[in-house]
Amino acid sequence: ETGVTQSPTHLIKTRGQQVTLRCSSQSGHNTVSWYQQALGQGPQFIFQYYREEENGRGNFPPRFSGLQFPNYSSELNVNALELDDSALYLCASSPTQVAGTDTQYFGPGTRLTVL
Amino acid sequence: AQTVTQSQPEMSVQEAETVTLSCTYDTSESDYYLFWYKQPPSRQMILVIRQEAYKQQNATENRFSVNFQKAAKSFSLKISDSQLGDAAMYFCAYRNETGANSKLTFGKGITLSVRP
Repeated sequence: ETGVTQSPTHLIKTRGQQVTLRCSSQSGHNTVSWYQQALGQGPQFIFQYYREEENGRGNFPPRFSGLQFPNYSSELNVNALELDDSALYLCASSPTQVAGTDTQYFGPGTRLTVL
Repeated sequence: AQTVTQSQPEMSVQEAETVTLSCTYDTSESDYYLFWYKQPPSRQMILVIRQEAYKQQNATENRFSVNFQKAAKSFSLKISDSQLGDAAMYFCAYRNETGANSKLTFGKGITLSVRP
């Protein structure tokens, strides 16, 4: 059973650019959540996708958007990058949307630096 | 809105000793889940232990155990027989039991160092 994978590992962009981060869920998992972790802070929830539909969103502007594909892999897109977008972006997958025994399994993250 | 507070930014423990990491949370819900995650320098968030709020018995996983005090909204993690590999950042997290949005709400984390 493969775990959650993310690509790329590191990324450097300049302010105003757009970026796409990718995540492959753990086998059998149909829910994916994205988190932003600023340096020295806890992760902050960006949004969640369940069966290709957005299923909840945190306090992030619309320039943060996502997609989930039929194979349950996912993308996080950020437009008009700002310096404060520099962070570790974590993807987490879980087996089902609501089941009480759900645990979210995290990928290794993508470190985004905006210059 | 739920909040999770970890007031100790750093802690240190001698190898083989026991350490307790504190966490408090605030919620109006009666059913929820609490988690401790470990994040080593490799960055990957690893689940350490999980507690269901409806269970009175404290969760235990090998050297890791929790002290869950529902009325006080307190959820501390005890690490026994500390090992060098336990050095990491530890995050306490909360999740509602029901609802479509099963997001995790994290505290700011505690950096644990282990002295040889």
